[in-house]
Amino acid sequence: GQSLEQPSEVTAVEGAIVQINCTYQTSGFYGLSWYQQHDGGAPTFLSYNALDGLEETGRFSSFLSRSDSYGYLLLQELQMKDSASYFCAAPRGGRRALTFGSGTRLQVQP
Amino acid sequence: ETGVTQTPRHLVMGMTNKKSLKCEQHLGHNAMYWYKQSAKKPLELMFVYNFKEQTENNSVPSRFSPECPNSSHLFLHLHTLQPEDSALYLCASSQEGRESYGYTFGSGTRLTVV
Repeated sequence: GQSLEQPSEVTAVEGAIVQINCTYQTSGFYGLSWYQQHDGGAPTFLSYNALDGLEETGRFSSFLSRSDSYGYLLLQELQMKDSASYFCAAPRGGRRALTFGSGTRLQVQP
Repeated sequence: ETGVTQTPRHLVMGMTNKKSLKCEQHLGHNAMYWYKQSAKKPLELMFVYNFKEQTENNSVPSRFSPECPNSSHLFLHLHTLQPEDSALYLCASSQEGRESYGYTFGSGTRLTVV
């Protein structure tokens, strides 16, 4: 089977740093992805980690530890426009199509 | 323009109607997907097509019928739906072997079944 667990909500202030965690259980592993979705919008791809370690893309970074079945998305210098839902995703065991976590709603306050 | 276009954006249909959702991707991808997103639920995978062939059907009721005439177009035919089928239906595409580029999603069709 496949499951991805992440917190339902996170609140932070502008300029702060926030970390969104994701733990997964899978019978096969091909990498962990992160997506952002604004209200009423389409999910958009943020990052992909196939190997352990930190991947940095501007203000956003993503980390993976395969031995711990754990990853996180780190958002720095938060801006109001970062208020959105963030999903971790991974392929289902033995297959390639992505299964998504339930999403973390990030609210950035002034 | 995301590269994946879905029509219509909104659809209201009765339980006895038949309608179709359309998805078109302009990215040259070889895999396409239908996902369902209900309020306060994660995205649920419905169907997967690779090179026009259906490779996954995630136990979706037969009132949902996908069609993939070519690698750029994907349809979801709907008939005798239930009110609980009201949701946002998202189409996505990707390139097999290029997982680091992720999926590209369309803006979705907001479906309301009355």
